[in-house]
Amino acid sequence: GAGVSQTPSNKVTEKGKYVELRCDPISGHTALYWYRQSLGQGPEFLIYFQGTGAADDSGLPNDRFFAVRPEGSVSTLKIQRTERGDSAVYLCASSLPSGRKYNEQFFGPGTRLTVL
Amino acid sequence: AQRVTQPEKLLSVFKGAPVELKCNYSYSGSPELFWYVQYSRQRLQLLLRHISRESIKGFTADLNKGETSFHLKKPFAQEEDSAMYYCALSGGAGAGGTSYGKLTFGQGTILTVHP
Repeated sequence: GAGVSQTPSNKVTEKGKYVELRCDPISGHTALYWYRQSLGQGPEFLIYFQGTGAADDSGLPNDRFFAVRPEGSVSTLKIQRTERGDSAVYLCASSLPSGRKYNEQFFGPGTRLTVL
Repeated sequence: AQRVTQPEKLLSVFKGAPVELKCNYSYSGSPELFWYVQYSRQRLQLLLRHISRESIKGFTADLNKGETSFHLKKPFAQEEDSAMYYCALSGGAGAGGTSYGKLTFGQGTILTVHP
């Protein structure tokens, strides 16, 4: 079956603009994660969804970042008033429900965001 | 707070030589540790996890709670092992105190295996 997909693969925008990044998880995966990977760094956790609700958004850096998953499948990460420091690769991952044990997270190819 | 440290950003070895990628962690509970790998132009994928105690592509990793380490080892490196390797830790309390698999990654080590 298809893996996690993310669109667009690349996004170039200007400082101050609004962007949306989309993630399509593996069918049947109720857990969905967003990570951000800056140049030379490992991925950093942003937010986790279990179903439609955000179970933990403690990794979102500030209130310019927001994510939704209205039907429990596709998720959109939204960034308002982009800044040059937001430039990074944004990774999405999905897994079977994560309760008291870890289920393998399957990663998408990422969206490379460049803010000029 | 949980943290993962990979002290080597770059590691170069020759084909057939042993290789060890270092990983140290800090975590207040009982951690689950993983190694993820990213080959050139491919997506991040799980290589192995400590609770499985298995060898994947000849790689093994032992969790040493006393030294808070989870080093990745392979006795005879191959050219196809060249990749970026990330050590990661699972932890994080959701509602009710359950762990849900949030991953904390190290900075990564680029392994290059020369012919």
